[in-house]
Amino acid sequence: QKEVEQNSGPLSVPEGAIASLNCTYSDRGSQSFFWYRQYSGKSPELIMSIYSNGDKEDGRFTAQLNKASQYVSLLIRDSQPSDSATYLCAWTRAGGSYIPTFGRGTSLIVHP
Amino acid sequence: GAVVSQHPSRVICKSGTSVKIECRSLDFQATTMFWYRQFPKQSLMLMATSNEGSKATYEQGVEKDKFLINHASLTLSTLTVTSAHPEDSSFYICSARAEPVREQYFGPGTRLTVT
Repeated sequence: QKEVEQNSGPLSVPEGAIASLNCTYSDRGSQSFFWYRQYSGKSPELIMSIYSNGDKEDGRFTAQLNKASQYVSLLIRDSQPSDSATYLCAWTRAGGSYIPTFGRGTSLIVHP
Repeated sequence: GAVVSQHPSRVICKSGTSVKIECRSLDFQATTMFWYRQFPKQSLMLMATSNEGSKATYEQGVEKDKFLINHASLTLSTLTVTSAHPEDSSFYICSARAEPVREQYFGPGTRLTVT
């Protein structure tokens, strides 16, 4: 079954720490991976996309993809209370209509 | 760039009536639009995928006669909830994508309450 697995959390980290969010997927045909942030009562907002093995950095965010181990992670450096939200990972399969599959999300709490 | 709007942001309707929700891509042409529903503290549930000018593809378990989707142009898709019931109360979110770009961008969502 094609699924995305995420620990629902909550993950609690102190302000200034590194928050590490992980996602595993079961379909080896997965090709494109995305991280979205969703604040309570709001719609998801795209943070990062990653397509190749390795790391991709954007400001305080780093996405890491390991296709052999079938996991994708998001690191948030210097975590701020404003980072407190639910983080959704998603993937699409190569070819076809690229219909995305979303994980259930991990709740992150950054406490002062 | 990549701005998606939704209207209305919040709507309350009586049971048995129909409600139309609009989704617009403001600064790009969306070849594909997605409609999601999200209940409190639950994940996104994909309802349907629509491509401009063609019929929407509904996910299993989603009634196509109840949730009418029209993707009339490359910038506009509408979702009509027909004969609404209280159990249809939810947060409805659209997203849009312009292929070959792989990323999809979400609208702000519409909170529907059926009384």
